[in-house]
Amino acid sequence: DTAVSQTPKYLVTQMGNDKSIKCEQNLGHDTMYWYKQDSKKFLKIMFSYNNKELIINETVPNRFSPKSPDKAHLNLHINSLELGDSAVYFCASSQWVAGTYNEQFFGPGTRLTVL
Amino acid sequence: RKEVEQDPGPFNVPEGATVAFNCTYSNSASQSFFWYRQDCRKEPKLLMSVYSSGNEDGRFTAQLNRASQYISLLIRDSKLSDSATYLCVVNRRDSNYQLIWGAGTKLIIKP
Repeated sequence: DTAVSQTPKYLVTQMGNDKSIKCEQNLGHDTMYWYKQDSKKFLKIMFSYNNKELIINETVPNRFSPKSPDKAHLNLHINSLELGDSAVYFCASSQWVAGTYNEQFFGPGTRLTVL
Repeated sequence: RKEVEQDPGPFNVPEGATVAFNCTYSNSASQSFFWYRQDCRKEPKLLMSVYSSGNEDGRFTAQLNRASQYISLLIRDSKLSDSATYLCVVNRRDSNYQLIWGAGTKLIIKP
């Protein structure tokens, strides 16, 4: 059984388009994340939700909008795609326990290419 | 100075050798430290947490040096399957949820 799944795995699209990436976790975790990994391999946090509430919102263009319909899902919608959005987007989840950092489990990634 | 810095490598190491690499962090108040492993074109996976007293998991040993603000990872008797990028992860003290990720050290084990 896949713990954290993302769809699609590959996404090739034209500049200016709007696209969505979906993420689901079946681990029962209460915290989910979106990360962007660019060509230089830096993994940068974009958003995090805890119990469907946005708790981290890094400096990300407002073209990116996360949506968490429930604790098991965190989707990412991107408007007006730009060339610089090309990257691998990873979804992750963890169980929040006050004062500790638990292991984050990652999805397989969505490789976005904007032409 | 970056919050978490790693030598990007690659480290080219013969099979069976011992290899070690460090990661420095800038926030002296950081409390949680981890090593993740990322294979080529795959997602990161937790390798081990790093405890204050140092810890070992089979061929892997992690150490924390708070005075000099670095963590280290030692791999003994390296295997071909150890080839991967090793990511250093540190918590951001002013955030309860946020982890800061290093760019990773690439390790290539050669037969």
